[in-house]
Amino acid sequence: NAGVMQNPRHLVRRRGQEARLRCSPMKGHSHVYWYRQLPEEGLKFMVYLQKENIIDESGMPKERFSAEFPKEGPSILRIQQVVRGDSAAYFCASSPNRESEAFFGQGTRLTVV
Amino acid sequence: AQSVTQLGSHVSVSEGALVLLRCNYSSSVPPYLFWYVQYPNQGLQLLLKYTSAATLVKGINGFEAEFKKSETSFHLTKPSAHMSDAAEYFCAVRGGSTLGRLYFGRGTQLTVWP
Repeated sequence: NAGVMQNPRHLVRRRGQEARLRCSPMKGHSHVYWYRQLPEEGLKFMVYLQKENIIDESGMPKERFSAEFPKEGPSILRIQQVVRGDSAAYFCASSPNRESEAFFGQGTRLTVV
Repeated sequence: AQSVTQLGSHVSVSEGALVLLRCNYSSSVPPYLFWYVQYPNQGLQLLLKYTSAATLVKGINGFEAEFKKSETSFHLTKPSAHMSDAAEYFCAVRGGSTLGRLYFGRGTQLTVWP
């Protein structure tokens, strides 16, 4: 059973470009969470999705950030018009339900130049 | 609301010494508590979890943690440190209406000296 797969592992974007981060949850997991990790800080919750639904997006910036988890395919975290402050590691986690433990992917490290 | 405080952003121990990483939580409901380990440029790996069963929880790699409700603590310990334990450790809490999402501490970087 493959773990949570995130791609790309590293992503470099110029200011103003769009970044798309993908997350394929573990098999049988329909709950996906996105977290952001800045240097010297812990992980900050961004958004919680279940297939085709956003359950909690209270941690998402109001502008430029969006997330989806379609019926088919991976979950996508999209950042439009990236700025230097978006540089961070973005982690995806998945679980079979909201009570169970979450398993983390290896993250996507976004660098905005 | 839930929150976690990890005391000490850096902890250094000698190989073979006791490891103690501190975590205090705040939760308005019975919490689920977790310790994760992160190696450089890797994701988070679950070490152990507390889900209201036994208060002393044993995890992987010889780690354990004790839930103390009176102290709102969930400290992580290992009797004898190994060089391979050097990593960053995160305590996290989940519970209540926010069941699903995790609240993380800022992390503790563990250094093990030979």
